Amino acid sequence: GQNIDQPTEMTATEGAIVQINCTYQTSGFNGLFWYQQHAGEAPTFLSYNVLDGLEEKGRFSSFLSRSKGYSYLLLKELQMKDSASYLCAVRAMDSNYQLIWGAGTKLIIKP
Amino acid sequence: DAGVTQSPTHLIKTRGQHVTLRCSPISGHKSVSWYQQVLGQGPQFIFQYYEKEERGRGNFPDRFSARQFPNYSSELNVNALLLGDSALYLCASSLAGQGPYEQYFGPGTRLTVT
Repeated sequence: GQNIDQPTEMTATEGAIVQINCTYQTSGFNGLFWYQQHAGEAPTFLSYNVLDGLEEKGRFSSFLSRSKGYSYLLLKELQMKDSASYLCAVRAMDSNYQLIWGAGTKLIIKP
Repeated sequence: DAGVTQSPTHLIKTRGQHVTLRCSPISGHKSVSWYQQVLGQGPQFIFQYYEKEERGRGNFPDRFSARQFPNYSSELNVNALLLGDSALYLCASSLAGQGPYEQYFGPGTRLTVT
């Protein structure tokens, strides 16, 4: 079956850089998504990777290595508003192409 | 443009009761997915509908059912509520059922079963 692992919680300092990792085990990989979710709110889309490499979008970048079953989300110039949970979700053939979600990484930003 | 809307925002029900949750997708989106999210966990997939047909079903009991209407809005029904059904129910819409189409989430319905 599918398995997606993310660290439960991370702490970083305002203005710094943080990397949130996601590892997955699936059959028939068909894309990986990163979402941000503030407490009590719905998830919002951050990035999509289907090919190996780095996708950059402003302060956020996402990397994928399909051979390693590994992705990371890189957040630069951290701001207090970046305090949130970051969810990794994978679409694969063995989940009938539905999104399977990790439990999320709670990121705490300190001044 | 209006985003995904869900109603009601909050709901309190008693064990054994029935509940209906509603979702309106973004205009032009034909796919609607339903998720259950328990505090501290990621969303768990319940159903996906595309063009009014069920395209996927997660590992949930038959007490859970859904449908999509001609205007692409959707309802999630849960019968014989259990305490464990207490969660945030999220609806997400996308342009199509698969491919690189991100899902846009509604604000969710917070269901509490007592």
